Amino acid sequence: GAVVSQHPSRVICKSGTSVKIECRSLDFQATTMFWYRQFPKQSLMLMATSNEGSKATYEQGVEKDKFLINHASLTLSTLTVTSAHPEDSSFYICSAIDTTGSYEQYFGPGTRLTVT
Amino acid sequence: GENVEQHPSTLSVQEGDSAVIKCTYSDSASNYFPWYKQELGKRPQLIIDIRSNVGEKKDQRIAVTLNKTAKHFSLHITETQPEDSAVYFCASEFGNEKLTFGTGTRLTIIP
Repeated sequence: GAVVSQHPSRVICKSGTSVKIECRSLDFQATTMFWYRQFPKQSLMLMATSNEGSKATYEQGVEKDKFLINHASLTLSTLTVTSAHPEDSSFYICSAIDTTGSYEQYFGPGTRLTVT
Repeated sequence: GENVEQHPSTLSVQEGDSAVIKCTYSDSASNYFPWYKQELGKRPQLIIDIRSNVGEKKDQRIAVTLNKTAKHFSLHITETQPEDSAVYFCASEFGNEKLTFGTGTRLTIIP
């Protein structure tokens, strides 16, 4: 099946700093990618829809100025957590849709963010 | 927006027995219902899905049923094995490929 990668897999940062997470579709083009956040023992919550070549669409309650999303190419979307705080510590997972094939949503392996 | 409820939150079954997880959704326009298996610290993996024009789908030991009128769908795992132990999430899609996930079920298979 299609492969989606994320980098880094784990990151620890200090409070107040910014962290960038990359999501790549390795063998297909994805005009749409999604970013989810998953707190321990909880479900995946959709944060935003990343659209290639246009602005991201954020879900209600998600601060667009804090979670910057850039989808500059058909295979790469980035999520930047700005001025991170301990409450932003979470498992961030991206997904990408193979719009030229199965239209199945493929998930990345996730990024564990810990803010100290 | 869409709301997906999932029950039970935890489920323990003896190896070899069947497990059933149920979900209900709120938006009658939802038309795609996938089920994911997630192991600790890993990505969700699609195990089976069903579209609204089908009432049941089976893949070996796994089956999903959909009742559009009642707006609920269920995951059935037969002949459970220890490797089936994981957290299972249902989800629904109501447009723009956006998925709304259920709250998850932690399934434990007792050897």
